[in-house]
Amino acid sequence: KAGVTQTPRYLIKTRGQQVTLSCSPISGHRSVSWYQQTPGQGLQFLFEYFSETQRNKGNFPGRFSGRQFSNSRSEMNVSTLELGDSALYLCASSLATASGGPGYAAGELFFGEGSRLTVL
Amino acid sequence: AQTVTQSQPEMSVQEAETVTLSCTYDTSESDYYLFWYKQPPSRQMILVIRQEAYKQQNATENRFSVNFQKAAKSFSLKISDSQLGDAAMYFCAYRYTYTGNQFYFGTGTSLTVIP
Repeated sequence: KAGVTQTPRYLIKTRGQQVTLSCSPISGHRSVSWYQQTPGQGLQFLFEYFSETQRNKGNFPGRFSGRQFSNSRSEMNVSTLELGDSALYLCASSLATASGGPGYAAGELFFGEGSRLTVL
Repeated sequence: AQTVTQSQPEMSVQEAETVTLSCTYDTSESDYYLFWYKQPPSRQMILVIRQEAYKQQNATENRFSVNFQKAAKSFSLKISDSQLGDAAMYFCAYRYTYTGNQFYFGTGTSLTVIP
């Protein structure tokens, strides 16, 4: 079974530009989460999508957005890039068993190798 | 907000020896999961071990085991018979049961294995 695939692996942008990162989850996984990893802040949760709906969102500005398609593939977009957006962006998929509300179960995260964004 | 603290930025261990990585967390919830993830250099993160908070028995996966102290909010990872392939960054993580896949990660411990 193929793992989580993230593209592109590396990219360089300049301040003010925007970027779109893509994530293909493991087949059958309906939950896709995004994390930002930096040396100073560590891993921080951006958002989670399940069945094309955002069901959790971290504490990031509105410049960070995402979406999920019907085949569970997900994209995240960062607009008006800032130097501080330089990071490794990790996507993770999960075999979540239900959507929304208390009591639903969610499995372990399976991570991709990440997209390393450098903003100059 | 939940916080996860790893107080050891770097640790080292001799090959074949045992090492313990520390993790503490802060939460007011009673239903949650705790995890240790491993991130080898330039490679993807993988799950090492998971503990459900409602289980009193400590989780074990081969050479990896945890010491889960719920009252103390402590969750340490013990690696026995350390191998060169264990060298990696180790992250402790917390997830509240009812908020899906919103994980809170510690800042990580870089483990070096000395041959």
